[in-house]
Amino acid sequence: GAGVSQSPRYKVAKRGQDVALRCDPISGHVSLFWYQQALGQGPEFLTYFQNEAQLDKSGLPSDRFFAERPEGSVSTLKIQRTQQEDSAVYLCASTVERDPYNEQFFGPGTRLTVL
Amino acid sequence: GDSVTQMEGPVTLSEEAFLTINCTYTATGYPSLFWYVQYPGEGLQLLLKATKADDKGSNKGFEATYRKETTSFHLEKGSVQVSDSAVYFCALSADAAGNKLTFGGGTRVLVKP
Repeated sequence: GAGVSQSPRYKVAKRGQDVALRCDPISGHVSLFWYQQALGQGPEFLTYFQNEAQLDKSGLPSDRFFAERPEGSVSTLKIQRTQQEDSAVYLCASTVERDPYNEQFFGPGTRLTVL
Repeated sequence: GDSVTQMEGPVTLSEEAFLTINCTYTATGYPSLFWYVQYPGEGLQLLLKATKADDKGSNKGFEATYRKETTSFHLEKGSVQVSDSAVYFCALSADAAGNKLTFGGGTRVLVKP
């Protein structure tokens, strides 16, 4: 079956531009996560949805970052007025709500480069 | 807060050598522990997991044991192959309801023929 997909795979933005990154989770997966992975580092949590409800956004680094999942499936991570420090790979993951082992299935990521 | 520390790489090995990647953690409560792997050009995928103390996770010849007394979850494989070349991430989830993962910095492993 289809896994988690993300688009675009690569995005180059000029500093100050707004960008929107899309995530399509596995069908039927209730929970959706966004992570930011800087070069050579491990992923860091940004935000978490259960269905359309954003239950945790404690990892969003600034108010320039905004995420939504209006119908409980596709999610969009928006970054306003991009800065060079926003350059990273943005990972989306989804999981079955009642999976006790919390296996998260990851997408391939969107590599964002801010010039 | 929660954190994961794993040995820095790169680790370079010959085929059939023994591999150990150290991982220690700090967390409140009783976290679940994971090893994720990222093969070249691919996304993160779960390698193995353990959800309580003394559990042993295993997959593809890799093993890791949840050691609560030493707060560790070291990854081991007895005989590595070239195809095991990848970046390995140790991670924890401290929320029993299945919430965010906290990752270590990753360890790059290169296996030479």
